[in-house]
Amino acid sequence: KNQVEQSPQSLIILEGKNCTLQCNYTVSPFSNLRWYKQDTGRGPVSLTIMTFSENTKSNGRYTATLDADTKQSSLHITASQLSDSASYICVVSVYGGSQGNLIFGKGTKLSVKP
Amino acid sequence: DGGITQSPKYLFRKEGQNVTLSCEQNLNHDAMYWYRQDPGQGLRLIYYSQIVNDFQKGDIAEGYSVSREKKESFPLTVTSAQKNPTAFYLCASRSGYEQYFGPGTRLTVT
Repeated sequence: KNQVEQSPQSLIILEGKNCTLQCNYTVSPFSNLRWYKQDTGRGPVSLTIMTFSENTKSNGRYTATLDADTKQSSLHITASQLSDSASYICVVSVYGGSQGNLIFGKGTKLSVKP
Repeated sequence: DGGITQSPKYLFRKEGQNVTLSCEQNLNHDAMYWYRQDPGQGLRLIYYSQIVNDFQKGDIAEGYSVSREKKESFPLTVTSAQKNPTAFYLCASRSGYEQYFGPGTRLTVT
């Protein structure tokens, strides 16, 4: 069964600190992996998209890694800011299929405290 | 101002009433999607449409209906047959790998 598991479920860090969120998946065949940021009560916004051949991609203070062999991804946030408080969702796309076949993780809720 | 709009942001209905959620996009995307989000769960696909006048059921289509008469619009109707309609509903459109989400509509049915 295609699944995406994220850890931790929630995380509290102090402003200015770094953190790493984890995503493990059992999706086959694999097409790409995305990380989204979702503020409370808002729609998700894309941070990064990585295909099979990419093992790291950055977007400002966000850096995503992908290990296609172990089927693991991480999202590293550097020098956290209060505005980073949000849910971070890992999404894996299944190769082929007319609907895009996106498998969503449940998200990690990050709280950045002053 | 380009993007996806959903209206209203909050919607309240009595049990037994049908309700229609609006989704409009001016991104010229062919593919559009409706998802449902419940606390502690990942997004679940309700319906999707790859092209005008065509749509397909997703994983949890029971109790929902859609139409796609125009490229820009993909309204979702939550019918009285939906057992647990209270949720956050997200509309999205797609271009290549990238999926763009609207701001969502929070539906509360009492």
